This record gives sequence, C-alpha cells and structure tokens, in this order.
Amino acid sequence: GIQVEQSPPDLILQEGANSTLRCNFSDSVNNLQWFHQNPWGQLINLFYIPSGTKQNGRLSATTVATERYSLLYISSSQTTDSGVYFCAVDTDYKLSFGAGTTVTVRA
Amino acid sequence: EAEVAQSPRYKITEKSQAVAFWCDPISGHATLYWYRQILGQGPELLVQFQDESVVDDSQLPKDRFSAERLKGVDSTLKIQPAELGDSAMYLCASTLSGNTIYFGEGSWLTVV
Repeated sequence: GIQVEQSPPDLILQEGANSTLRCNFSDSVNNLQWFHQNPWGQLINLFYIPSGTKQNGRLSATTVATERYSLLYISSSQTTDSGVYFCAVDTDYKLSFGAGTTVTVRA
Repeated sequence: EAEVAQSPRYKITEKSQAVAFWCDPISGHATLYWYRQILGQGPELLVQFQDESVVDDSQLPKDRFSAERLKGVDSTLKIQPAELGDSAMYLCASTLSGNTIYFGEGSWLTVV
C-alpha cells in the first residue's frame, strides 16, 4: 500500500515561533488532508488540499502532488497549537495516515 | 455544525468479554469508516461502508471483530472476545464521497 512519511516526528516550539511540517507520500493520491488531534483524541480537519496552497488564519498548507509532498506551516504558534498533526492521503476514498508530528508549544 | 456521534466515549472491559461501539455519521454521508488508533501511532482503517455495503474490510480481524450498518445510516463495531491488544481508540468517520472526511470524538477501549 501507499507509504506516508511525516517529519519531524517531534517538534518543540517557543510561543510565537514559526514552523513547517512535512508529509511525503509514495504514490499518486486523490487528495490529501491535514488533521490536528487534540489532547482528548479528536481529529480536527485542518485542510483538504489535493494540490495548491490554502490558508486558514495562522495555518497554511501547500501540496505539490507531482512531487508527492505536502507542507503545513504554523505561524506565530500558540500553546493551543500543541498536539499531534497528521497527514492523510486519500486513495480510493479511504485515508492512509502518517505517524504524525507531535508539536509542543511552550509559553 | 453537524458532527459524527460516537458512544461510549470510554469503555473498560475484561479480557474475553464482548464490547460494542456505536456511530452515527453526519446526515447524508453515504461513506462511513471505522479506524483503530493505538497510542503513539496514526489511525488504521478497519472497515469502510458505502451505504449498507462493506467496501473494504481487509484489515478487520474477522475472527473477533464484526461491523454492520444495516440501514445505511448508523453503524456498530463489535469485538468478541476482547483481547489485551485491542486496547486502543476506535474512531468513526464519514464523508460525502470524494470530499472532506469528518471524525467523531472516538471511543477509548481499555481491556484488562
């Protein structure tokens, strides 16, 4: 099956810092989604982004489908940004997840 | 805002007992998924439904797990008998095919 690799596995940020999370995938996909998993376990959809760039507040994402990668940018990080960020790729209408990047934002 | 509903939120059960989880997807979403997430890992697909039909259950341990979506709306995932290794979070998700997938809050299972 398709392989989804996320980097870095862990990220510690000082509040106010910017960061970039990366997702590489091994094959063509129908689309790609970024999720944030909060401390209570719920997966919150951040972006549905098969290609191009999207922005939502302090978060933005870029997917370059031809090169099989996506980037998630966090700007001016806040403590509420802490949690695990997952990249998931859609093949045949089912999602395959990466292992996630654990982000800790310190005040 | 419409949500995917799951219950119970938390379940502790003894090894060899039966346990069941329920999911009510967002109204109108024909596609429903059950995922399992072990602590420290990403979610893994167990079963996918399109309406009442199973589309993919290749990763479902069928000797002990079963899933149904009889009327093409809500769904039940059952484990019998539960084993220690089944301790995980069970996530339900739904989508209009080809669009954003929405997850419920999950059901945490601890097998003792």
